[in-house]
Amino acid sequence: GAGVSQSPRYKVAKRGQDVALRCDPISGHVSLFWYQQALGQGPEFLTYFQNEAQLDKSGLPSDRFFAERPEGSVSTLKIQRTQQEDSAVYLCASSLGLAGGVKAGELFFGEGSRLTVL
Amino acid sequence: AQSVAQPEDQVNVAEGNPLTVKCTYSVSGNPYLFWYVQYPNRGLQFLLKYITGDNLVKGSYGFEAEFNKSQTSFHLKKPSALVSDSALYFCAVRDRVDTGFQKLVFGTGTRLLVSP
Repeated sequence: GAGVSQSPRYKVAKRGQDVALRCDPISGHVSLFWYQQALGQGPEFLTYFQNEAQLDKSGLPSDRFFAERPEGSVSTLKIQRTQQEDSAVYLCASSLGLAGGVKAGELFFGEGSRLTVL
Repeated sequence: AQSVAQPEDQVNVAEGNPLTVKCTYSVSGNPYLFWYVQYPNRGLQFLLKYITGDNLVKGSYGFEAEFNKSQTSFHLKKPSALVSDSALYFCAVRDRVDTGFQKLVFGTGTRLLVSP
C-alpha cells in the first residue's frame, strides 16, 4: 500500500491476556519505529529497527513488551500479560533511514492501534 | 537529554486570522526540530523541519516555523488560519544527533481550534 498500515485498529483485551499488534511499513523503508501515545500525551518512543536489527529498545516499559521485525519489513509488537496501564494508542512509523539526508527525521506514521485493557 | 515543551494545551483562533503555536526546546548541540500534525482518526503527518540554514522554514499547507536560537524556540505559524487547520500539533526534536539514529522526542501537543 501507499502508507503505513497497522492492525488491528482497535483491540480490547482482558487484563492478563497477550496481544499482538502488526505494522506494515512503506515498502523500501529501512527504519521502523514503535511509539506509545497515552490519552492527551505526545507519542513516547518504544523501540527502533533498522532493517531486521533492533538497535534501540530503551523505551519498552517492561519485559512484557517485545517487538520483532524478522525479515526487515513487517513488524509485530507483542504485549504479554496486559495491564490496565498498557491502554494507549500504539503508533508505528517508518522512514527511508537516511539519517543525514534531506528526508532525515521525516517519519511516516500509521493510524495506530488503540489498545484498551479492561 | 533533548526535550521540547509546548506551553499551550489549546489555541483558539478565528478563521482568516494569523495563528501561532508555541514550542521551546532544550538540546545539547545543534537542534533538529520538527512539527507534526494529527487530524482526528489519522496518523501523524510531517509538516516541516529545521536542520540548518534559514531560520524561517516553510512547510506543508501554508505553515511555516521560525527558529530562534537565542530564545530556544521553534514556533509554528500561519498567516491566515482555515477551519480545516483544526487539529493536534506536535513539536519534536531529534534525539542523539551525534549518531545516525532518527529517534524523535515529542512534546505533549497543542490543540488548535479555528472557528468559522
